[in-house]
Order: sequence, then structure tokens, then C-alpha cells
Amino acid sequence: RKEVEQDPGPFNVPEGATVAFNCTYSNSASQSFFWYRQDCRKEPKLLMSVYSSGNEDGRFTAQLNRASQYISLLIRDSKLSDSATYLCVVLMNTGFQKLVFGTGTRLLVSP
Amino acid sequence: GAVVSQHPSRVICKSGTSVKIECRSLDFQATTMFWYRQFPKQSLMLMATSNEGSKATYEQGVEKDKFLINHASLTLSTLTVTSAHPEDSSFYICSARERSGRGETQYFGPGTRLLVL
Repeated sequence: RKEVEQDPGPFNVPEGATVAFNCTYSNSASQSFFWYRQDCRKEPKLLMSVYSSGNEDGRFTAQLNRASQYISLLIRDSKLSDSATYLCVVLMNTGFQKLVFGTGTRLLVSP
Repeated sequence: GAVVSQHPSRVICKSGTSVKIECRSLDFQATTMFWYRQFPKQSLMLMATSNEGSKATYEQGVEKDKFLINHASLTLSTLTVTSAHPEDSSFYICSARERSGRGETQYFGPGTRLLVL
């Protein structure tokens, strides 16, 4: 089983739509959680951290459910510029801290 | 904000040659640097963790004699792919961790695309 699992997509949505991505992780000792965005042929960039209390940054809302080991990302009012791959990332401590990446969910927003 | 640079951004080489990739933290000191590899349509896979002044810690399945890592200073780490073969063609990304009063933040370089012919 993969340490971090995501639906690879692609999710094809029209501009203005609301779209949700899900992610599950296998290691219950995972410490911190993030969503990164990766554009084609570029490095990943931090989108937002994820907390159990939920956090919102503009059109983006992230949620963590530790009991279910489940992370979500909600994007409201999708823009064309939101088209990218969204990576679910977990910080694990295996003697030292390391980030573990999911394969990513590809989002395509069309006019 | 903090910036991590990589050089070169793209490399095309013949099979059997060695390729060195540099990773620099430009405005902070990075005690820990990470090297990742990403194949098409796959996730970033951690290859090794590099601590300044000590030997790198390699992930399972990564050959330390093939992927040589040197972290000689707090701002520079290098990855050398020795005797590269076509299956080593990939996107190599380094990352540097900054430790500040606000905790630890990890920044990614722009990546190096390696094509071995």
C-alpha cells in the first residue's frame, strides 16, 4: 500500500465550478500535512498546510481527519489558472523528518 | 523569501558519462538538503537526505555509489549521477530546509531535467 494515496484524475471542470480532492495516508504517526501545487515540468510549490480544525485561504479550503487518516482540498470558483497537479504531502518522522508525496491529482479547468 | 537554485536546469548526455547537479540555498543556511527524483506521471520520490558535514542517508533502493551526494557547506549540496544510463533520465529536484524561530520550512529548487541518450 502506498504511504500517500490520491486519485490521479484528471478532473475536468468548467470555470467557476467547485472541485474537491481527497487523499489518504497510511502512517498514523504522520505529523504534518500539506497540499502542494505542481505545474507541468516545474517544481512543487506549497499551497497550504492542513490542520484538523480546517483552514481556508481564499478559494481554497483544506481539512484533515486524523481518525480516518484522510485529507481533503476544496477549490471554489475554479479559475483557468488553477489547472495544475495537486500533491498531497505528509511529513513523517522515521528517525528523521521527511516529506512523502502522493502521485498528485491533475486538475484541468476549461473556459 | 527563501530561494533554492539548481544548476543546470537541463542536461542531455551520453550513456556512461557522469553528471553533477548543484543545489544552493541563496539566502539562508540549510543544515539539511533533500534530493528527489520524479519520473513522468509519478510522485516525487525521496532519494537521499543530506546533512552538512556528514554522509547522506539514502532511501531504500537508491544506490549510494551511483548517486554521490556531497553537502560541503551550509548553502551547497551536489548530486553526481555516475555512469548515467537512459533509465536514469528523470526530473531531479533538490530541497533545502530552513530552520527559523517559526519552525522549519522546506523550499524546493526548480529541478534539473536529465536526459541520457
